[in-house]
Amino acid sequence: DTEVTQTPKHLVMGMTNKKSLKCEQHMGHRAMYWYKQKAKKPPELMFVYSYEKLSINESVPSRFSPECPNSSLLNLHLHALQPEDSALYLCASSQELRGGEAFFGQGTRLTVV
Amino acid sequence: KQEVTQIPAALSVPEGENLVLNCSFTDSAIYNLQWFRQDPGKGLTSLLLIQSSQREQTSGRLNASLDKSSGRSTLYIAASQPGDSATYLCAVRYSGGGADGLTFGKGTHLIIQP
Repeated sequence: DTEVTQTPKHLVMGMTNKKSLKCEQHMGHRAMYWYKQKAKKPPELMFVYSYEKLSINESVPSRFSPECPNSSLLNLHLHALQPEDSALYLCASSQELRGGEAFFGQGTRLTVV
Repeated sequence: KQEVTQIPAALSVPEGENLVLNCSFTDSAIYNLQWFRQDPGKGLTSLLLIQSSQREQTSGRLNASLDKSSGRSTLYIAASQPGDSATYLCAVRYSGGGADGLTFGKGTHLIIQP
């Protein structure tokens, strides 16, 4: 099983809403990542978790808040987003932080209105 | 700055042709390089992973090479099919400091004409 599952697949939210994106993997991977991808652009790293500890925060605005409840789950909490935050949000995992093949989920298409 | 560049940005070829996609990176201190495929509006599908100590990897009609000293990788697709149409992304995991995730190129948008 090399699957990373993301929910929901699509999300429309207002600028005052609070929502969460969820990601799950059962490959025993100890590193999990959130990426943001705008249309016709490559994915950009947002957050990295290694052994359930936040390893790097790439200066992402505080309206994005990651959480890693356990080694299989990764959440991204959203609050007071702006229309320019509309994008495809991708979750990925790999065996270790600095090695191994990375597997991506199908993404959550987020639209902020 | 650690960057990844892909050439060409777009490519359209008739079905059956063999083709090569190019990727270059700025720092030879890498853990690995990975090629992905992305269909419109979808997530990324891993095609091949090459560790820094390896020279090439093969999977079916795909062959990826790595020349760390020159900072280059190529993805060779044999006997292309319309189903190969997608955007192909090259990503590098750098080991020389900086972010611990993957650094992506902008991709090659590939169209295989039936």
